[in-house]
Amino acid sequence: SQQGEEDPQALSIQEGENATMNCSYKTSINNLQWYRQNSGRGLVHLILIRSNEREKHSGRLRVTLDTSKKSSSLLITASRAADTASYFCATDAASGGSYIPTFGRGTSLIVHP
Amino acid sequence: DTAVSQTPKYLVTQMGNDKSIKCEQNLGHDTMYWYKQDSKKFLKIMFSYNNKELIINETVPNRFSPKSPDKAHLNLHINSLELGDSAVYFCASSQLAGGEGALHFGNGTRLTVT
Repeated sequence: SQQGEEDPQALSIQEGENATMNCSYKTSINNLQWYRQNSGRGLVHLILIRSNEREKHSGRLRVTLDTSKKSSSLLITASRAADTASYFCATDAASGGSYIPTFGRGTSLIVHP
Repeated sequence: DTAVSQTPKYLVTQMGNDKSIKCEQNLGHDTMYWYKQDSKKFLKIMFSYNNKELIINETVPNRFSPKSPDKAHLNLHINSLELGDSAVYFCASSQLAGGEGALHFGNGTRLTVT
């Protein structure tokens, strides 16, 4: 079953603006990851945040995690046209005694130059 | 020096045929995965192998059979292809199992069944 749900489904902004994407999940997690997917390519790992962490930064990326609300957000500051891609969150959902990275449908981000 | 490579990139075939997709990773990872991405971009886990052994087999029809000859390879064979099998299939690998580590994805195989 689907674990993570990204919101919004689509986001269109101007270059230089900030982009915020949200992810909600249903069951408890050990960690949550964010990935980027450019058109026609595979997913690329951006950042992993553990359940005992509240915030993490990587360059222009800022990820927050609120386990009480079962939600995470990805903030891209000072966006660039090259940030245009789909962004996915993945949680380590339990499946048959093992944990597997489970993805949502992603947020499609378009950054206009 | 591609980390995770899949072949072919595109696969067009008719219903009822049998086809295979190959995947190789040169990262030395123990865990490999197959995901299916539908037209709405929903990415669904199909299989997961750890050190050549199947650890996850989601609700996938028996027509799909993964094969791992060694821990660097995880191939996907599909029998009796159906229209609904049309999708993009992604292979991935990770150093750690259980969702602990980052996944490294191939660039996908776009399968079109006519």
